Amino acid sequence: GDSVTQMEGPVTLSEEAFLTINCTYTATGYPSLFWYVQYPGEGLQLLLKATKADDKGSNKGFEATYRKETTSFHLEKGSVQVSDSAVYFCALSDAPWSAGNNRKLIWGLGTSLAVNP
Amino acid sequence: GAGVSQSPSNKVTEKGKDVELRCDPISGHTALYWYRQRLGQGLEFLIYFQGNSAPDKSGLPSDRFSAERTGESVSTLTIQRTQQEDSAVYLCASSLPRFEALDTDTQYFGPGTRLTVL
Repeated sequence: GDSVTQMEGPVTLSEEAFLTINCTYTATGYPSLFWYVQYPGEGLQLLLKATKADDKGSNKGFEATYRKETTSFHLEKGSVQVSDSAVYFCALSDAPWSAGNNRKLIWGLGTSLAVNP
Repeated sequence: GAGVSQSPSNKVTEKGKDVELRCDPISGHTALYWYRQRLGQGLEFLIYFQGNSAPDKSGLPSDRFSAERTGESVSTLTIQRTQQEDSAVYLCASSLPRFEALDTDTQYFGPGTRLTVL
């Protein structure tokens, strides 16, 4: 079945460092790919998404490119801030046309990021 | 506008008791999902509602779990005879239905209900 694998945390960086969180997936169809973020004490929020191969999602300085050839959707940011400290989740939605519109998300385990000043 | 709300935010119960969790989706969102997040694990899909269609219950872990939704509004997730392994954060999400808008893939999450079974 479909699955998402993301790098284990925790990841600890200094402010202004470069961030990469790896995410790879397996899917039978043509999934949409997502990064969600959960800040301390808050609910899950969509960070960015891409719906087809070679699309790049971007938001708040974060980017991820949908790479079908490597089945990856790595999250990157050029210069992290203390306020980026959160748990980041990679997810996919892979409902075929016959699935009755159920776009359930398949999730990675999450990667905790701590950014120190 | 208001986001997805869930209640209670925390629930502590004794093993064997029944619990009911509530979700209020974003107005106009006909699709509603329940997920479970156990400690150290990723989110697991439980059940999906879309308007008046039959729900997709394929993720429910046992017959102790059930969920209802009234039309396109509130949903309740009921766990009967709770067990310690039911302890988790239960998350609700809503989205626009497929084919009715461009942004049908985005799910909007509530803050969750943290359930602790003693």
